[in-house]
Amino acid sequence: KQEVTQIPAALSVPEGENLVLNCSFTDSAIYNLQWFRQDPGKGLTSLLLIQSSQREQTSGRLNASLDKSSGRSTLYIAASQPGDSATYLCAVSGNQFYFGTGTSLTVIP
Amino acid sequence: GAVVSQHPSWVICKSGTSVKIECRSLDFQATTMFWYRQFPKQSLMLMATSNEGSKATYEQGVEKDKFLINHASLTLSTLTVTSAHPEDSSFYICSASWGGNTDTQYFGPGTRLTVL
Repeated sequence: KQEVTQIPAALSVPEGENLVLNCSFTDSAIYNLQWFRQDPGKGLTSLLLIQSSQREQTSGRLNASLDKSSGRSTLYIAASQPGDSATYLCAVSGNQFYFGTGTSLTVIP
Repeated sequence: GAVVSQHPSWVICKSGTSVKIECRSLDFQATTMFWYRQFPKQSLMLMATSNEGSKATYEQGVEKDKFLINHASLTLSTLTVTSAHPEDSSFYICSASWGGNTDTQYFGPGTRLTVL
């Protein structure tokens, strides 16, 4: 069974810092990997989608990479802002979705 | 851990029929449930948020009269796709949260809908 792990579970950084969130998965037979943002009490917001044939995707200050062979993905956030504070989830899609446990990010003004 | 189930796991229906998908929180009371869908090769997107006992809040572009959501109890929410069309074929997934001091969402395994 696919297992998805995110490290760290929580992260606190001062505003302006660049940061990296990590996601690892045990079964490389995936269709795609997605990164989401979750704000308190809200549904997930899709940030980036990486198809299994791709290695990275970029959107604004966000860059996500995918290394299927090693079962890893990273989400890089440049020049962090207080508004980036949220929980970040990764999910891999095979026959069903498998979500990671999330990283709670706090950006301190 | 908190478990969320969905039924059915997959369904094939004819165009014009209605399909109901159930989402249940098995071992906790879910004050809030979310419904998502994913079209092939696209991102998982939020469709609506439902709170027990009140009307669902739909995301922009999601037709509330087509995708009927009922959250009548703290352990069950249903999504009914009415008058289904082939373009409604998608993967539908729900999540449940018990609110309070935690906003952790627990996800169901998803339902794959194919409309012929």
